[in-house]
Amino acid sequence: DGGITQSPKYLFRKEGQNVTLSCEQNLNHDAMYWYRQDPGQGLRLIYYSQIVNDFQKGDIAEGYSVSREKKESFPLTVTSAQKNPTAFYLCASSLDLNYGYTFGSGTRLTVV
Amino acid sequence: RKEVEQDPGPFNVPEGATVAFNCTYSNSASQSFFWYRQDCRKEPKLLMSVYSSGNEDGRFTAQLNRASQYISLLIRDSKLSDSATYLCVVNMVQAGTALIFGKGTTLSVSS
Repeated sequence: DGGITQSPKYLFRKEGQNVTLSCEQNLNHDAMYWYRQDPGQGLRLIYYSQIVNDFQKGDIAEGYSVSREKKESFPLTVTSAQKNPTAFYLCASSLDLNYGYTFGSGTRLTVV
Repeated sequence: RKEVEQDPGPFNVPEGATVAFNCTYSNSASQSFFWYRQDCRKEPKLLMSVYSSGNEDGRFTAQLNRASQYISLLIRDSKLSDSATYLCVVNMVQAGTALIFGKGTTLSVSS
């Protein structure tokens, strides 16, 4: 079955560490997205990519980095420059925005 | 002006009730519209797309009013399992690149 897979489901990071969140899709979608969701808040766009080897900053890109070397994969690195990284991170992909997104099941990141 | 606005609620209703949510959007050139459902600590899932002529899926009815720039979702005969947060989502063509999400409306259905 086609879908989008995020791993790990839970991640704990020590202050000062970089961590990478995985997002893989086998839906053959060109576009992929990373969002952050804080408790009681809406989704905020971090980065997006519409094609391999190209990506764009979203509304809150500071402290994050991404790569898009393969169509299927769009990993997100949360760097030590991100001062408040504890949040629920959601990856999504889309064939066409008129059809909406498919989301992965999310990664819950906690700084310890 | 916020791009997609929703009443956060919570809406607390008994089983069997009918409940309606509204959402307003700022960009009159917006092209497509959706309602997503998000359960606690889970990812959002597409509930239904919203078409200009209105559309129905079982107990759920979605309406679009382009002139007033709002979208509605009506849930009839509410079930306990309908308890969730409902996200209004808009494809604003001028934004071009990503869907715009409202912050969601929380529904709690009680027995």
